[in-house]
Amino acid sequence: DTEVTQTPKHLVMGMTNKKSLKCEQHMGHRAMYWYKQKAKKPPELMFVYSYEKLSINESVPSRFSPECPNSSLLNLHLHALQPEDSALYLCASSQDGGGNSPLHFGNGTRLTVT
Amino acid sequence: QKEVEQDPGPLSVPEGAIVSLNCTYSNSAFQYFMWYRQYSRKGPELLMYTYSSGNKEDGRFTAQVDKSSKYISLFIRDSQPSDSATYLCAMGGGGFKTIFGAGTRLFVKA
Repeated sequence: DTEVTQTPKHLVMGMTNKKSLKCEQHMGHRAMYWYKQKAKKPPELMFVYSYEKLSINESVPSRFSPECPNSSLLNLHLHALQPEDSALYLCASSQDGGGNSPLHFGNGTRLTVT
Repeated sequence: QKEVEQDPGPLSVPEGAIVSLNCTYSNSAFQYFMWYRQYSRKGPELLMYTYSSGNKEDGRFTAQVDKSSKYISLFIRDSQPSDSATYLCAMGGGGFKTIFGAGTRLFVKA
């Protein structure tokens, strides 16, 4: 088991649904990330929060909406997704709020959009 | 040219073999280097992290960084079937953007 916990493990949603992915870490890390990973590809950065503030948005479509309620929690709100958004969504954290430390990943949420 | 090049394999070896996984990179600004192991349907797991040129050993794993050649390696000694996974090299230069290699799929045959 990892120290970054993601729920749910699997999610199937229709294109008109609204759902949320959740991530939690209790390592005291100051930066948290959302990544998207397609099969046989490396993770792609979506968003970075540092000290609970959004630092990076990699031009992600607005149907993905991140939220960082506190230093331990990170959410990703999903709305009106497309089938091509089906992927493994990974949460990660790093100790350094400036990003100069390695990423620690959760096991992801496998999302299928029908 | 990609910032990080990694042969996607697959690489198939017999149990007990020494495995060598490699990445090259083009950006001299990279300061720290990582290897991740990813099992099917799991998230990447941090195996090794190093901040300088040279070797770092942890059990059966040795990470090697040669900044002058822009080349990093991961060696796995006495490989086991449980080592079968995708291995991702990754590097960063300060800031939040970690650059990943494509990942090498490794199969260790019993």
